[in-house]
Amino acid sequence: EPEVTQTPSHQVTQMGQEVILRCVPISNHLYFYWYRQILGQKVEFLVSFYNNEISEKSEIFDDQFSVERPDGSNFTLKIRSTKLEDSAMYFCASSAQGLWGNTEAFFGQGTRLTVV
Amino acid sequence: AQSVAQPEDQVNVAEGNPLTVKCTYSVSGNPYLFWYVQYPNRGLQFLLKYITGDNLVKGSYGFEAEFNKSQTSFHLKKPSALVSDSALYFCAVSGLTGGGNKLTFGTGTQLKVEL
Repeated sequence: EPEVTQTPSHQVTQMGQEVILRCVPISNHLYFYWYRQILGQKVEFLVSFYNNEISEKSEIFDDQFSVERPDGSNFTLKIRSTKLEDSAMYFCASSAQGLWGNTEAFFGQGTRLTVV
Repeated sequence: AQSVAQPEDQVNVAEGNPLTVKCTYSVSGNPYLFWYVQYPNRGLQFLLKYITGDNLVKGSYGFEAEFNKSQTSFHLKKPSALVSDSALYFCAVSGLTGGGNKLTFGTGTQLKVEL
């Protein structure tokens, strides 16, 4: 069964450092997403991406965040200068169509980011 | 803006008994509703969805959910719970109008099924 894969599973970084989280969405999917879950809290939307551009972003997704699909298979989330409050589980997801179609989003296993 | 409420932080049920995990939503226009399950140290796994059609939706692992437009609810149910169903359950909503192409999740309900 096709699945979304994320690497690394756990990343520890020092405050102020740049970090790149990587995702390989399901191959025939067209819509890509990043969500995050701070420990003990709910899953929050960060950004959606379609046709090589951001289609929607939340207020969490400020200038220190960026996304890229560099090679047609990977989908990355970059945090330029990490803060302690960026510590969270980051989930990548993909869907074949927009969520208003008869489709659902498939999530990866997540990358746990710890900023120290 | 779209939102989801899961009023119970935890639901305890005995194995073999029916279970219900509650969810209510708020969205402009027609809602698209989803249930996801999260096992410890794992990602979110899709269980079922309501897009349109029959109000009773059947999904994976014997779960089902009932869409009730008048009560704006989408409760998750299973006729006979298993210990292996113990996990964190999230209700989510997406809406074409106002919500865009994103999921808004509830706070989650921890389901504990005991022998």
